[in-house]
Amino acid sequence: GENVEQHPSTLSVQEGDSAVIKCTYSDSASNYFPWYKQELGKRPQLIIDIRSNVGEKKDQRIAVTLNKTAKHFSLHITETQPEDSAVYFCAASIGNQGGKLIFGQGTELSVKP
Amino acid sequence: NAGVTQTPKFQVLKTGQSMTLQCAQDMNHNSMYWYRQDPGMGLRLIYYSASEGTTDKGEVPNGYNVSRLNKREFSLRLESAAPSQTSVYFCASSPLTGYSNQPQHFGDGTRLSIL
Repeated sequence: GENVEQHPSTLSVQEGDSAVIKCTYSDSASNYFPWYKQELGKRPQLIIDIRSNVGEKKDQRIAVTLNKTAKHFSLHITETQPEDSAVYFCAASIGNQGGKLIFGQGTELSVKP
Repeated sequence: NAGVTQTPKFQVLKTGQSMTLQCAQDMNHNSMYWYRQDPGMGLRLIYYSASEGTTDKGEVPNGYNVSRLNKREFSLRLESAAPSQTSVYFCASSPLTGYSNQPQHFGDGTRLSIL
């Protein structure tokens, strides 16, 4: 079945450094790739998304890149701050199945002051 | 504008009991989803409803049933709770026009423990 692999599972960086989280997906029909941030005990919140007709998208300190040929996409956070500490999830749409997403296992990012 | 509202926030059940988790959205979204979140396993789709009047299974539907009561409300029912269903349950909704994927907006979750 469809699968999304996310790496690393934990990531620790110093404040001001960059952080990169990578995901690979299996369904070649996937065309939508959101990223969610989840703080402890809170709901997942969308931080950025990208569609298959775009290779890169940026929003201030956050960027996402997509390589459709290799079926992988990545989240880049620059100039990290302690408030960036959270669990980050990638997801990929499942073919053309009415908005269904399959999620990666999550990356726990810790930004040390 | 509350977004996606889930009730209850916390619940403890005994094995074999039944209960219904409620979800309502006020964003006039077409599609609604139920996920469970377990440590180290991300979010797994239980059931979803692409539009009012339709429901379909996700990755882990066994032991659950759903009802799309109207456009606003989508409930999840555990008929005979089992300890393996201890989890955090999230409801989400998205505008979804046709088959163009749109962002999903999540509720605050229901923390369910089954003893």
